[in-house]
Amino acid sequence: DAKTTQPPSMDCAEGRAANLPCNHSTISGNEYVYWYRQIHSQGPQYIIHGLKNNETNEMASLIITEDRKSSTLILPHATLRDTAVYYCIVRVAKNTNAGKSTFGDGTTLTVKP
Amino acid sequence: DTGVSQDPRHKITKRGQNVTFRCDPISEHNRLYWYRQTLGQGPEFLTYFQNEAQLEKSRLLSDRFSAERPKGSFSTLEIQRTEQGDSAMYLCASSLAMLATSDRRVYNEQFFGPGTRLTVL
Repeated sequence: DAKTTQPPSMDCAEGRAANLPCNHSTISGNEYVYWYRQIHSQGPQYIIHGLKNNETNEMASLIITEDRKSSTLILPHATLRDTAVYYCIVRVAKNTNAGKSTFGDGTTLTVKP
Repeated sequence: DTGVSQDPRHKITKRGQNVTFRCDPISEHNRLYWYRQTLGQGPEFLTYFQNEAQLEKSRLLSDRFSAERPKGSFSTLEIQRTEQGDSAMYLCASSLAMLATSDRRVYNEQFFGPGTRLTVL
């Protein structure tokens, strides 16, 4: 699985958009970008994933650059409950692959009032 | 609650003792994963099962560690002769691996349980 690079920490004001970047310059053509977050003392929570098109769900939006070497997770209106460690991972999604996730150290997002 | 559950949530043991953790995945999920997470680090993959078959083990999984999923449902992770370095959060995740068709993408989102925090004294 390709390696990802994320800033170790970020702050965001409550109610503002939080934009979390991720670099994955060695991503291969069959690898998806997945985002998870982990609130203190809980298991990671799936947020969103994408291959090359931008994706949006009820939690967030995912913007993937055209060359797929980087992506940005957008939380449109951050709340205090969005304070967590956010992990960006890349991996294949075919069922013939293990699907195991290789986590880095993530970005600690702190939403401030 | 139909999510992934883990038991116990916390375990304190003395060095040298054996411990066993249990994971109950989401009922229709055929894949089950074990991860270990130490403070300040992201989760590290340990092993995974497709139904009852253990298909991959990380080199992190020493001989003292054994995992089973006997009926393809719940799984257990046992650590024998625990060491202080085994202190960590042990996370279980499950997912549904579906057959791919030519026009259908296969998603492999993993749903994680709350974890079992092990402290070895």
